[in-house]
Amino acid sequence: AQKVTQAQTEISVVEKEDVTLDCVYETRDTTYYLFWYKQPPSGELVFLIRRNSFDEQNEISGRYSWNFQKSTSSFNFTITASQVVDSAVYFCALMKSNFGNEKLTFGTGTRLTIIP
Amino acid sequence: DGGITQSPKYLFRKEGQNVTLSCEQNLNHDAMYWYRQDPGQGLRLIYYSQIVNDFQKGDIAEGYSVSREKKESFPLTVTSAQKNPTAFYLCASSIGALAGVYEQYFGPGTRLTVT
Repeated sequence: AQKVTQAQTEISVVEKEDVTLDCVYETRDTTYYLFWYKQPPSGELVFLIRRNSFDEQNEISGRYSWNFQKSTSSFNFTITASQVVDSAVYFCALMKSNFGNEKLTFGTGTRLTIIP
Repeated sequence: DGGITQSPKYLFRKEGQNVTLSCEQNLNHDAMYWYRQDPGQGLRLIYYSQIVNDFQKGDIAEGYSVSREKKESFPLTVTSAQKNPTAFYLCASSIGALAGVYEQYFGPGTRLTVT
């Protein structure tokens, strides 16, 4: 069975601070995919990143960076110099590599509030 | 503009009535999905379809039904058998595993309230 745990239910930081959102996953598969999605107040989920299990390189995209560590089954997301527009609920998700059966397992999300 | 549309954004129904939620995409994606989101919880998969005229149950399919007669459309019917239908419903699509692409893209959602 697959499971994604986002232990931080809510986080509040002051604008311009850095913040890290934690994601821990469980899977027995050797090949899998990890995702982060952002859900702003409008409700629509916005895709941020996908990571393959065989690629442990960290990734940076502007103020966003992701740290993938298979040894600890974690896929953490850091926002540098946070802005008010970063306020949203962030979901981490896991997909097993099962051709024709691509189901996402979501964590319960972390609500991030950036205080101006 | 390409994207996924869901209508309506807000929907109100009386208990005991069936209701159909619309999901349309013009991205030419093969796969489509329906998720349910409850307050403070992650998304749970209701149904998904990898190809036209074929669909599979997700983790919480009881009380729901779908059809996939066209590539662009994947309507979800919430039947009176669904015990707790009030929720936020999100539709998603993806190019599909055949193309080696796994990201799912989401519509704006429909908030269903049943009283």
